[in-house]
Amino acid sequence: ETGVTQTPRHLVMGMTNKKSLKCEQHLGHNAMYWYKQSAKKPLELMFVYNFKEQTENNSVPSRFSPECPNSSHLFLHLHTLQPEDSALYLCASSHTHEAGGYYEQYFGPGTRLTVT
Amino acid sequence: TQLLEQSPQFLSIQEGENLTVYCNSSSVFSSLQWYRQEPGEGPVLLVTVVTGGEVKKLKRLTFQFGDARKDSSLHITAAQPGDTGLYLCAGGITGANNLFFGTGTRLTVIP
Repeated sequence: ETGVTQTPRHLVMGMTNKKSLKCEQHLGHNAMYWYKQSAKKPLELMFVYNFKEQTENNSVPSRFSPECPNSSHLFLHLHTLQPEDSALYLCASSHTHEAGGYYEQYFGPGTRLTVT
Repeated sequence: TQLLEQSPQFLSIQEGENLTVYCNSSSVFSSLQWYRQEPGEGPVLLVTVVTGGEVKKLKRLTFQFGDARKDSSLHITAAQPGDTGLYLCAGGITGANNLFFGTGTRLTVIP
């Protein structure tokens, strides 16, 4: 496997279900990101992890719970979601640079989530 | 508040035509990246520019970073149906630990 992989690619869940999205990167990066992409809306950053530590939580509802056990794996645990949470959830990874703001992010293919 | 505004939001052109997409901000960025995203897939990095005034060419695509590092443009020559997709610009700021993504331009090239 190369690059950034995400599973599952498609997920349909009810509002009372609990599910998890998985992301894995094989690029040797130390930063990982979760984004939400809804139709006709800009890409929304949700969470940032740097060396397994969460460095950004962009006012995301608590029904989304991230987990980063190591620099290669990232999870997004979902529970009690709402229909408006239906979207494409994208994972990305990058090196981090302490100066220069030079972050090339590499994205996975995304998980298309539908909440019924 | 959206740091990066892209224009146009939608663009539909005939195969063989030229086009330019713009990415504008009032903020200064240390780097600027362009991505293309196809339906049902994640964005794919096309190019990174880091120097004010820098121009990079990738086959029929020409990317320019503004002199003041606040804006960028993407020019496509002789567009092809394979160029169809959502084009996203993203800016990096020194000290920030994430990129700031633009609003996106959805391009359709009609055969």
